[in-house]
Amino acid sequence: KNEVEQSPQNLTAQEGEFITINCSYSVGISALHWLQQHPGGGIVSLFMLSSGKKKHGRLIATINIQEKHSSLHITASHPRDSAVYICAVRSRRDDKIIFGKGTRLHILP
Amino acid sequence: SQTIHQWPATLVQPVGSPLSLECTVEGTSNPNLYWYRQAAGRGLQLLFYSVGIGQISSEVPQNLSASRPQDRQFILSSKKLLLSDSGFYLCAWSIGEDQPQHFGDGTRLSIL
Repeated sequence: KNEVEQSPQNLTAQEGEFITINCSYSVGISALHWLQQHPGGGIVSLFMLSSGKKKHGRLIATINIQEKHSSLHITASHPRDSAVYICAVRSRRDDKIIFGKGTRLHILP
Repeated sequence: SQTIHQWPATLVQPVGSPLSLECTVEGTSNPNLYWYRQAAGRGLQLLFYSVGIGQISSEVPQNLSASRPQDRQFILSSKKLLLSDSGFYLCAWSIGEDQPQHFGDGTRLSIL
């Protein structure tokens, strides 16, 4: 079993829909990152969380440390949000960064 | 403002040839630097990270090596490439551990 699991693997939605991508992890962590990888491969760091909730524009990220779970939400989704969203955690045990396999999001116009 | 440069964008190399990918950061001092690889159909994998000049930590055993000859320069190398080295290589920097990482545009490496 992977130490970082993302769901769903693939998601197709209509423009305007509210999107939720989930990340569950099984190790103690010091931080969790959400990354966005565009079709050309470029990666942008969206959020870094260690507790609570962060918001940036239409993106919201939450983390529940007790439940070892984080969600990334996109409100009023748009075709330009189409990308792969990757969850990554830094393990408190050995300081290693562990990546989820990503969620491929496709927003239809 | 800080910028990160990674080159080349695309590289096609024969098996057994050497490799050198360069990454430089501007606008910040003593950044943490990272090399990642994303193989086709797979997730990101951290290969190396560096917290200072000459300080390199290797995350996975492989035939690649990294060097940091200057504060804002990070080089990924191989003496002899394998077919399995094909992939998308990304360099990133951060101001410290558990800080947001900023990624370069990546190098798509194809081994023939």
